[in-house]
Amino acid sequence: GQSLEQPSEVTAVEGAIVQINCTYQTSGFYGLSWYQQHDGGAPTFLSYNALDGLEETGRFSSFLSRSDSYGYLLLQELQMKDSASYFCAVISRGKLIFGQGTELSVKP
Amino acid sequence: KAGVTQTPRYLIKTRGQQVTLSCSPISGHRSVSWYQQTPGQGLQFLFEYFSETQRNKGNFPGRFSGRQFSNSRSEMNVSTLELGDSALYLCASSLNEGRGDEQYFGPGTRLTVT
Repeated sequence: GQSLEQPSEVTAVEGAIVQINCTYQTSGFYGLSWYQQHDGGAPTFLSYNALDGLEETGRFSSFLSRSDSYGYLLLQELQMKDSASYFCAVISRGKLIFGQGTELSVKP
Repeated sequence: KAGVTQTPRYLIKTRGQQVTLSCSPISGHRSVSWYQQTPGQGLQFLFEYFSETQRNKGNFPGRFSGRQFSNSRSEMNVSTLELGDSALYLCASSLNEGRGDEQYFGPGTRLTVT
């Protein structure tokens, strides 16, 4: 079967760095994506890794290790507006399979 | 460029009825995927359409169906509604099929079945 594991919630303070981990088990793996969703809003794309290594986009970075079936999203210089749910998702046989999401709370 | 639009935004239906939801992708995007989001099950893939053909399908019963038109607009239909179908239904569009590198989501249709 296919499964993704990520922490259900994480709390951090403004200005800090937080890492959200994602481990996956799937067949036909193609890549790992990260999405952000604010309460009541639509998911928005953050990053995508098809190859091993780190991808950086501004304050956000994403890492993938295919051999370990593991990835993470790194958020730096946290801001209050970063409080949201973060989903990892794997592309497997043409389907985007989402994890259960990590609720990030940023405190002042 | 206009984003993904979904209509209606909110819908209340009675068990046993059927419902049709509509999605207009970003101009130029040919792939439309549908997802169901519930607090208990999270975001689950329903199906993907590309060039008017269903390319992939998730693990949902046959009551859930969809189609895509020549202008890439898509509809999904749920027949014989059940209470458990209450959810946020999201559609997402992307340029190419079967790629998860960047999908653009619409605001969703909140379906409540009573």
